[in-house]
Amino acid sequence: GIQVEQSPPDLILQEGANSTLRCNFSDSVNNLQWFHQNPWGQLINLFYIPSGTKQNGRLSATTVATERYSLLYISSSQTTDSGVYFCAVEPVNAGNMLTFGGGTRLMVKP
Amino acid sequence: GAVVSQHPSWVICKSGTSVKIECRSLDFQATTMFWYRQFPKQSLMLMATSNEGSKATYEQGVEKDKFLINHASLTLSTLTVTSAHPEDSSFYICSAPAGGTYEQYFGPGTRLTVT
Repeated sequence: GIQVEQSPPDLILQEGANSTLRCNFSDSVNNLQWFHQNPWGQLINLFYIPSGTKQNGRLSATTVATERYSLLYISSSQTTDSGVYFCAVEPVNAGNMLTFGGGTRLMVKP
Repeated sequence: GAVVSQHPSWVICKSGTSVKIECRSLDFQATTMFWYRQFPKQSLMLMATSNEGSKATYEQGVEKDKFLINHASLTLSTLTVTSAHPEDSSFYICSAPAGGTYEQYFGPGTRLTVT
């Protein structure tokens, strides 16, 4: 099956710093989503981005489908950004099933 | 965005008993829903695909007789953990695709503890 690798696995930032999270995948995909899992376990949709670039406030994401990677940018980080960030992909012909990467655990210190 | 709910949020049960978890799409219809399991500090692993009006499809290694899935309507799927054991303790999360792009939306999860 498809492999999804996220880096770095852990990241500690000082409040106000910027960061880039990476997601590499091993095969063609129909869909790619980024999620933030909050401390209570809820997965919050950040981006639906099978290709191209999107921005939402301090967050932006870019997917280069031909090179099989996606990047999530966090600017001016805040303590509320702490949590786990997951990339998930839907392989071609997978019937909407998502395969998750291992996640990046982010801690933003005040 | 679309809203998915789960009930209960958390449950504690004794070994050998069965537990039912509900997943509902509140503002859209879902012919397909997905069930995931997440162990502490790990990623989400797909357990099964729930199909409205037909049998669920289970991922390799998931016991279909232990994890019973019923998708009785276009807004409700249930996961029943039968004869639960401590190793079944985990965080169970459901999702459903919505809209023209089939973007996935996730429920808040159910934390199961088997004593």
